[in-house]
Amino acid sequence: SQTIHQWPATLVQPVGSPLSLECTVEGTSNPNLYWYRQAAGRGLQLLFYSVGIGQISSEVPQNLSASRPQDRQFILSSKKLLLSDSGFYLCAWRRGGASTDTQYFGPGTRLTVL
Amino acid sequence: DAKTTQPPSMDCAEGRAANLPCNHSTISGNEYVYWYRQIHSQGPQYIIHGLKNNETNEMASLIITEDRKSSTLILPHATLRDTAVYYCIVRPSGGYQKVTFGTGTKLQVIP
Repeated sequence: SQTIHQWPATLVQPVGSPLSLECTVEGTSNPNLYWYRQAAGRGLQLLFYSVGIGQISSEVPQNLSASRPQDRQFILSSKKLLLSDSGFYLCAWRRGGASTDTQYFGPGTRLTVL
Repeated sequence: DAKTTQPPSMDCAEGRAANLPCNHSTISGNEYVYWYRQIHSQGPQYIIHGLKNNETNEMASLIITEDRKSSTLILPHATLRDTAVYYCIVRPSGGYQKVTFGTGTKLQVIP
């Protein structure tokens, strides 16, 4: 069976500090991978998606970046965090080449920028 | 993607059926209706999806109107653990871009 991991589960960082969140998927090959952010009381916002190693598409301009160094690893980064980067960050995967769009989400990372 | 409209909140008595509506009047012929839910402080969980026929699985039933402009997610016997935000989205088959989750319906199951 497939599983998706995210870490850390919670993170408190000062403004201006760097960020690295990691997501890994087990039990599948060549998944489509996604990073979402959910601000408090808001819906999910798609930040990045990837259809393969080194292939990243950005949905919204921001000071965040994403990388996919391995097939089942997706990393969200920032060089300098802003207060507005606080939120609940979710990684998701979808079966690559699937005819339907079912996505499976990780447990999330709750980021607080102070 | 077709836009969806859901009520912001609903209450349901424990043990009763919860019927969550979703309007998607601009849905295209190749777009599926998906339902997810998000329990507080957890990642969203896939529930069910359908194209035009009604669907049922171990979690819920999905009823899609004949014109496909609206749908209803049915939780047949709601429990307290079903308290969550329920998202209805519509997506074309095979697509992977611009998945948009709205604000959903907050379902509160009452003892």
